[in-house]
Amino acid sequence: EDKVVQSPLSLVVHEGDTVTLNCSYEVTNFRSLLWYKQEKKAPTFLFMLTSSGIEKKSGRLSSILDKKELFSILNITATQTGDSAVYLCAVGADSNYQLIWGAGTKLIIKP
Amino acid sequence: NAGVTQTPKFQVLKTGQSMTLQCAQDMNHNSMYWYRQDPGMGLRLIYYSASEGTTDKGEVPNGYNVSRLNKREFSLRLESAAPSQTSVYFCASSEFASYSNQPQHFGDGTRLSIL
Repeated sequence: EDKVVQSPLSLVVHEGDTVTLNCSYEVTNFRSLLWYKQEKKAPTFLFMLTSSGIEKKSGRLSSILDKKELFSILNITATQTGDSAVYLCAVGADSNYQLIWGAGTKLIIKP
Repeated sequence: NAGVTQTPKFQVLKTGQSMTLQCAQDMNHNSMYWYRQDPGMGLRLIYYSASEGTTDKGEVPNGYNVSRLNKREFSLRLESAAPSQTSVYFCASSEFASYSNQPQHFGDGTRLSIL
């Protein structure tokens, strides 16, 4: 059975810290891995990764995929209170149209 | 710049009542999706529509029906609501569903409580 596991489930850090969120997967016919940020409402798209070893960056956020070890990490440097959110990871496969979602990591940034 | 619009935002139903959740997107996307999100669990796909005129079951379709009214609109119907259907429902769209490597864009959700 295909699955996506995120860790940790929750994390509390202080403003200015650097955090690393993990997403591991077991998905047949892997195609892509996507990261989303969910504040109070709609998940918003952050990154899509398809190739191993190529880092994607957007400001203080970056992400990388390891297709050999079947995981991805999302790094956030110099965290701010506005980074507080649930971060969701999803994996797409060649075999169907569905994304397989992890349960999310709840990140709380204390001032 | 509306994106994906869901109505209503909140709803309380009694067990056995029916209702329809509405979703519309203005991005000219071909594919649309309905998810539910429960505490401690990831998003679970209820139904999707890869293109106008087609609908398919997702992971948790029981108790729901959908209609792809046109390219913009995709509705979700609960025929006889049950307490287990208490959840937050999200509608999403993407340019194409093929091979599921397209980012999906989400609405703000409908918080539904079944008493």
